[in-house]
Amino acid sequence: DIQLTQSPFTLPASVGDRVIITCRASQSISKWLAWYQQKPGKAPNLLMYRASTLESGVPLRFSGSGSGTEFTLTISSLQPEDFATYYCQQYNSYPWTFGQGTKVEIK
Amino acid sequence: QEKLVESGGGLVKPGGSLRLSCAGSGFTFSDYYMSWIRQARGKGLEWISYISSSGTTIKYADSVKGRFTISRDNVKKSLYLQMNSLRAEDTAVYFCARDLGSIASLWGQGTLVTVSS
Repeated sequence: DIQLTQSPFTLPASVGDRVIITCRASQSISKWLAWYQQKPGKAPNLLMYRASTLESGVPLRFSGSGSGTEFTLTISSLQPEDFATYYCQQYNSYPWTFGQGTKVEIK
Repeated sequence: QEKLVESGGGLVKPGGSLRLSCAGSGFTFSDYYMSWIRQARGKGLEWISYISSSGTTIKYADSVKGRFTISRDNVKKSLYLQMNSLRAEDTAVYFCARDLGSIASLWGQGTLVTVSS
């Protein structure tokens, strides 16, 4: 199975900060990577797929980059509603796997 | 409005069985692959199974293979997960998801399964 390792595990940040989350794959997954946002007690919500394609309705302050084994999710200017846990997911080869999550919390 | 609603969760003893259901609405259910994804309390996400739009292609994670069975009824716009031989480690919130090219593009609210004596 392909392992995904996210860093950092927690990310203290303030409103207005630029936030970068990294996701590393144990082997190349080309660009077959998605990002999700999850708030407490809620289901995850798709933010991005194919590493850098924004899902419809997702604010433009979210962006993604990377290919192969290293990927990043960037929030250009953190908003109050962005405090949440973020997961990456690979769909290069089954079983589809998720990273362990990065919690963006209030500094 | 596109929506998925799960039901059927609850408390079950180790070795017991449970059947989860997921009702889809607001979209053409029969056009999409569907999946079950679970999340243990305070833990990450695990994609445990998917089924093709016609039901002919099915995949399972090793952790549930041989114990869980995914199925669907396109007339009823419903997805199911039959869970047998349940273990404590199966305790989790179970989400159904609309699968778009192996991406979970729409999620239900989840249903909690607790396996405990």
